[in-house]
Amino acid sequence: DIQMTQSPSSLSASVGDRVTITCRASQSISSYLNWFQQKSGKAPKLLIYAASSLQSGVPSRFSGSGSGSDFTLTISSLQPEDFATYYCQQSYNSPWTFGQGTKVEIK
Amino acid sequence: QVQLQESGPGLVKPSETLSLTCTVSGGSISDYRWSWIRQPPGKGLEWIGYIYYSGSTNYNPSLKSRVTISLETSKNQFSLRLSSVTAADTAVYYCARVASSSFFLHCDNWGRGTLVTVSS
Repeated sequence: DIQMTQSPSSLSASVGDRVTITCRASQSISSYLNWFQQKSGKAPKLLIYAASSLQSGVPSRFSGSGSGSDFTLTISSLQPEDFATYYCQQSYNSPWTFGQGTKVEIK
Repeated sequence: QVQLQESGPGLVKPSETLSLTCTVSGGSISDYRWSWIRQPPGKGLEWIGYIYYSGSTNYNPSLKSRVTISLETSKNQFSLRLSSVTAADTAVYYCARVASSSFFLHCDNWGRGTLVTVSS
């Protein structure tokens, strides 16, 4: 199985901050990388697919980059509604696997 | 906008079979893959598998011997069966639609999830 490792596991940030979350795959996955946001008690929401494609309806402050084994999710200006847990997920190989999550908390 | 809704028992006894159904509304079940993902309380996400509208399936090898995902196209539903459950199968179970963009697969629509507890 391909292991997905996110860093950091948690972070504290203020409204307006630029936030970066990284995701590393245990082998090259080309651009088969998705990012999800999950708020407490809710289903995950797709933010980014194919490493850098913004899902319809997702604010443009979210962006994704990377290819191969190293990827980044960036929130350009953190908003109150962005406090949540973020997961990366690879769809390059079966079984699909997720990172352990990054919890973004209010500073 | 397509909507998905999970349904099924919230409590299953150890060694029995967990059965859930996902009802798709606002769109056809054709031309997509349909997936199940689970999340144990307080933990991360685990992909269970998906079924293509043609009926072909792809399962997580860690669960493959116990999992069956099936389609009922006439009802716009797909289902999950997980046999011989233990407490480790206690989780919120999500159903999701799998979209494809130039072969890049991604779960773009999710149900709200249903908690299944395995306990006697």
